[in-house]
Amino acid sequence: GDSVTQMEGPVTLSEEAFLTINCTYTATGYPSLFWYVQYPGEGLQLLLKATKADDKGSNKGFEATYRKETTSFHLEKGSVQVSDSAVYFCALSDNSNYQLIWGAGTKLIIKP
Amino acid sequence: DSGVTQTPKHLITATGQRVTLRCSPRSGDLSVYWYQQSLDQGLQFLIQYYNGEERAKGNILERFSAQQFPDLHSELNLSSLELGDSALYFCASSVGQGSEQFFGPGTRLTVL
Repeated sequence: GDSVTQMEGPVTLSEEAFLTINCTYTATGYPSLFWYVQYPGEGLQLLLKATKADDKGSNKGFEATYRKETTSFHLEKGSVQVSDSAVYFCALSDNSNYQLIWGAGTKLIIKP
Repeated sequence: DSGVTQTPKHLITATGQRVTLRCSPRSGDLSVYWYQQSLDQGLQFLIQYYNGEERAKGNILERFSAQQFPDLHSELNLSSLELGDSALYFCASSVGQGSEQFFGPGTRLTVL
């Protein structure tokens, strides 16, 4: 079945560092891809999404590009802030039943 | 605030008991999804309803059931509870199938 694999955390960076969180997927069709963020004690918020190959999703300085050839959707940010500390989830949704299939989550810790 | 509400926020109960979790979707959203987030299994899709009808089932145990009412709110019923059912249960809603899902703050269930 469809699956999502993302890098294990925690990832610890200093403020203003460059961030990459890797995400790869396995899917039989052409899924939509998402990054969700979960701040401490809160629910899940959609950070960005891409619905077809070569699409780039972006929001709040975060970017991810849908790479069909490498089945990847890596999350990047040029300069992280302490407020970016959270757990980041990569997910996919196939276009038949629309359920979200999740990666394990990557905890990001940003130190001032 | 996503506009999705879930009650209660916290629930503590004993093994063998039955509980009901409630979700009110965003105004205008017809689809409701239930997800379970646990330490060992991560985030898993449980079930989806669209305009009162069940549309997709994921890893939902037979001890669990759900329904969506005519006013579009949804309830997730968990019975014969076990220690392993302790988790955060999220509800999400979307306008239609395949639309962006907006998540509620979750209900944290603790089974003692």
